[in-house]
Amino acid sequence: NAGVTQTPKFQVLKTGQSMTLQCAQDMNHNSMYWYRQDPGMGLRLIYYSASEGTTDKGEVPNGYNVSRLNKREFSLRLESAAPSQTSVYFCASSDGQHIQYFGAGTRLSVL
Amino acid sequence: DAKTTQPPSMDCAEGRAANLPCNHSTISGNEYVYWYRQIHSQGPQYIIHGLKNNETNEMASLIITEDRKSSTLILPHATLRDTAVYYCIVRVVGGGADGLTFGKGTHLIIQP
Repeated sequence: NAGVTQTPKFQVLKTGQSMTLQCAQDMNHNSMYWYRQDPGMGLRLIYYSASEGTTDKGEVPNGYNVSRLNKREFSLRLESAAPSQTSVYFCASSDGQHIQYFGAGTRLSVL
Repeated sequence: DAKTTQPPSMDCAEGRAANLPCNHSTISGNEYVYWYRQIHSQGPQYIIHGLKNNETNEMASLIITEDRKSSTLILPHATLRDTAVYYCIVRVVGGGADGLTFGKGTHLIIQP
């Protein structure tokens, strides 16, 4: 019962470094999402992918790129990390109807 | 998506029913009401959703007022494991696969 799997769980970067957050789902869902959550706040949508081969910007896309590698995998890339990108990142998937299933999150610190 | 208003925090005694209110006075006719919760920085977890009828599942009940401008999530017998932040979200379904809009939610604390 893996559901949505995110890697890594924790990461520390220096300002200007790049990295890719990985997300995979095993529920055969068409839609996948990336959110960020800052302390004391709700989640905010970064990017989403309604189906394989498509991606769209969410509320806070600046500084990020995404790739929908195949139906299972949706990655989030930080090309040049900034301290403002210190956050917890959540990936989610959905059949496009009612329920989104979330991963356990990646805790990122940018120094 | 319509905006929702929730109290920032609530307490409830273990074993009692927890009633979490949500105002969504600008909800549109094709928007559903969803509830998610987030336990201690884990990923959010779906609880229940409804359009205009009351709904019940194994986790909770959802009561939506007749005018649909507010709703209440009911956890019938709260346990310590129900301590979490609860998010009320309104959203159109079927108009695309766009994401959820989270507010700050209600931090529900179950007291032993």
